[in-house]
Amino acid sequence: AQSVAQPEDQVNVAEGNPLTVKCTYSVSGNPYLFWYVQYPNRGLQFLLKYITGDNLVKGSYGFEAEFNKSQTSFHLKKPSALVSDSALYFCAVRDMGSGTYKYIFGTGTRLKVLA
Amino acid sequence: GAGVSQSPSNKVTEKGKDVELRCDPISGHTALYWYRQSLGQGLEFLIYFQGNSAPDKSGLPSDRFSAERTGGSVSTLTIQRTQQEDSAVYLCASSPTGTGGNEQFFGPGTRLTVL
Repeated sequence: AQSVAQPEDQVNVAEGNPLTVKCTYSVSGNPYLFWYVQYPNRGLQFLLKYITGDNLVKGSYGFEAEFNKSQTSFHLKKPSALVSDSALYFCAVRDMGSGTYKYIFGTGTRLKVLA
Repeated sequence: GAGVSQSPSNKVTEKGKDVELRCDPISGHTALYWYRQSLGQGLEFLIYFQGNSAPDKSGLPSDRFSAERTGGSVSTLTIQRTQQEDSAVYLCASSPTGTGGNEQFFGPGTRLTVL
């Protein structure tokens, strides 16, 4: 069965420092991988996705993520954090070998960027 | 353009009552998803509609939960005989199609409180 793990409930980082939010997954086939962000009192917004091709994908607001097949990971990164990046981040996976179209979301990681 | 809308934004009900939650997807989107977001639990997949195909109901937690999608557009999630554990934010998302790697567009959610 497909699953997603976000091992950190919260990540704290100082403004201007690089940030990483971790995500690992388990699927039977090839994965489609996504990151979404939820700002306070706002709906979930798409950040970036990996479908195929280059392992490093770039998305909105300067975020990027690296698909690592051997480590089954898709960590979200940003070179220099902003206070405005503080939000709840969700990783999601769709298992292309599952025969279903549903997406499994992680439990979320709260990012806190300190001024 | 108009995004995904959901109504009501908040619903307070008494245990044992039935509730209906509505989702208006983005026009032209053939895929529609319902999720439940509980505190600290991430997003839990409930049901998926794709065009005129039979829905994927594998995430519905009990037979008290049902959903329909009329005319391939508006969807209603119905919870019968509500229980306190049903209290959560119910999110709807739509996508141009569910068969590819399209991202999902989320509505603002309906916060359900069962007293």
